[in-house]
Amino acid sequence: AQSVTQPDIHITVSEGASLELRCNYSYGATPYLFWYVQSPGQGLQLLLKYFSGDTLVQGIKGFEAEFKRSQSSFNLRKPSVHWSDAAEYFCAVGAGYSSASKIIFGSGTRLSIRP
Amino acid sequence: EPEVTQTPSHQVTQMGQEVILRCVPISNHLYFYWYRQILGQKVEFLVSFYNNEISEKSEIFDDQFSVERPDGSNFTLKIRSTKLEDSAMYFCASRPGLNSYEQYFGPGTRLTVT
Repeated sequence: AQSVTQPDIHITVSEGASLELRCNYSYGATPYLFWYVQSPGQGLQLLLKYFSGDTLVQGIKGFEAEFKRSQSSFNLRKPSVHWSDAAEYFCAVGAGYSSASKIIFGSGTRLSIRP
Repeated sequence: EPEVTQTPSHQVTQMGQEVILRCVPISNHLYFYWYRQILGQKVEFLVSFYNNEISEKSEIFDDQFSVERPDGSNFTLKIRSTKLEDSAMYFCASRPGLNSYEQYFGPGTRLTVT
């Protein structure tokens, strides 16, 4: 069955420091992968997506992610975090090849920013 | 930029009551979804809807749940007889079409069952 694992429940980084959030997925074929961000009390905003092609994808707010098939990973990175990046980050995989494929979410990583 | 909207933002209801959560997907999108997030837990898929019928539903989506697209713009989730464990944030999402797999989420409706 498809699944997504985010091993880090909570990460704290200093403002201006680099960030990497880990994500591993389990899926039998080429996955459709996403990162979403959820600020407190807000909905889910799509940061970036990978469907095919270049394995390094750029997203909004200066985020990028790299798809590594050999490691079944899709880690999210940002070279320099800002205090406004404090939020919950969800890695997700599009499950199934039916035309109405659902998204399966990881359990999320909460990011705190140290001033 | 077009966005998914949901109403109400917060709904409080008593156990056993019926609730209807409303969503307006992005115009011209073809696929519609409901997800829920119980406090402190991951976002879970409930149901997908395409061409005026349910495409897939999870085991959570039992006979107490139903979805409807009553007109060309609204997409609703009805819970017939709410239970305490239905308390959660409910997200609506829509997706453009066959060749676009990203889903765009609304801000959510927080449902509190007392």
